[in-house]
Amino acid sequence: KAGVTQTPRYLIKTRGQQVTLSCSPISGHRSVSWYQQTPGQGLQFLFEYFSETQRNKGNFPGRFSGRQFSNSRSEMNVSTLELGDSALYLCASSLYASSGANVLTFGAGSRLTVL
Amino acid sequence: AQTVTQSQPEMSVQEAETVTLSCTYDTSESDYYLFWYKQPPSRQMILVIRQEAYKQQNATENRFSVNFQKAAKSFSLKISDSQLGDAAMYFCAYRGNNDMRFGAGTRLTVKP
Repeated sequence: KAGVTQTPRYLIKTRGQQVTLSCSPISGHRSVSWYQQTPGQGLQFLFEYFSETQRNKGNFPGRFSGRQFSNSRSEMNVSTLELGDSALYLCASSLYASSGANVLTFGAGSRLTVL
Repeated sequence: AQTVTQSQPEMSVQEAETVTLSCTYDTSESDYYLFWYKQPPSRQMILVIRQEAYKQQNATENRFSVNFQKAAKSFSLKISDSQLGDAAMYFCAYRGNNDMRFGAGTRLTVKP
């Protein structure tokens, strides 16, 4: 059974550009959540999707957006990149949403560097 | 808002010894879950152990066990018979009705 797949694994962008990251959940998982990991702020929740609907959103500016497709794959987009957006972006999938009863399975992450 | 605090940025343990990682949290919710996740240097986070707040019995998974003190809002992780492969960042996490909150992490070093 394939795990959570995140692409690309590494990318470098310049300030002002935009970026799209992709996450393919474990087969059968319908919930996908995104997290930003930085040395200074640690792991911070970005948003969670279930059945193509955003269920929860973290405290991030509107430049951060996401969506989920009918096959449960998810993408997140960051527009007008800033230096502070440099981070490891982690995606996690679970069977359902909004419950600790559902164990999260994480992907390996997408390492974004903004120059 | 729920917060999760890990007061030990770094810990070290001798191989085969026991180590305890601390975690406290703050919440007004009565129903929630607590987790310990491990992030090895390869960066993929994996679940170590999970505790449901309504269960009084402490969770155990092989060499990993927790000491869950609900009234004190404390959730520590004990690793017994430490192995070199246990070296990683360990994150304590809380999930209530909303999103998952993580602590800042504890970097565990295992000395041979």
